[in-house]
Amino acid sequence: NAGVTQTPKFQVLKTGQSMTLQCAQDMNHNSMYWYRQDPGMGLRLIYYSASEGTTDKGEVPNGYNVSRLNKREFSLRLESAAPSQTSVYFCASNFGTGATRGYTFGSGTRLTVV
Amino acid sequence: GDSVTQMEGPVTLSEEAFLTINCTYTATGYPSLFWYVQYPGEGLQLLLKATKADDKGSNKGFEATYRKETTSFHLEKGSVQVSDSAVYFCALILSGNTPLVFGKGTRLSVIA
Repeated sequence: NAGVTQTPKFQVLKTGQSMTLQCAQDMNHNSMYWYRQDPGMGLRLIYYSASEGTTDKGEVPNGYNVSRLNKREFSLRLESAAPSQTSVYFCASNFGTGATRGYTFGSGTRLTVV
Repeated sequence: GDSVTQMEGPVTLSEEAFLTINCTYTATGYPSLFWYVQYPGEGLQLLLKATKADDKGSNKGFEATYRKETTSFHLEKGSVQVSDSAVYFCALILSGNTPLVFGKGTRLSVIA
């Protein structure tokens, strides 16, 4: 099925460990996004990539890095995980950052940092 | 900056009750407005949208009207079902290279 695929679905890390969350879309979308979802906070934008080869910081970029590997893939890296990064992470994509068709979301990665 | 404010939940309703979830926005220009729904354990899905003032978005019995004069986009449904239990997010986007901005979400629980 066409859409946004995130891996892994669940992950437990120890404080200080690193990991990369993977995201891939097969809809030929230009723009891709990483959000985190925390109780009572809604979704907050971490980083986004308006087009292949570009990335920009969102509202909460500290502690994260991203790579737009190609048009399909946009990964999120935690270099040294902290308990404050315990969250559900969502990747999304669309044809353009200002496009009105809305975003397509992946099913999320639930990350726990202990 | 641009922002979205939603009524705080949780909202608990009996089946067949009328639903309203309030949403107001602050934006520097003329945004497009969206409602997304998140069912338990899933990602967000687009429920409906409106791209200009006085537009009405509708889907699955839900409706919302873009009110520029009150900067609002309230979500309504005439008769909710248990299957509507989910978290609902109001969001806006401005033209140009600005990403989607979300409200904090409103959890709806519908009981039989």
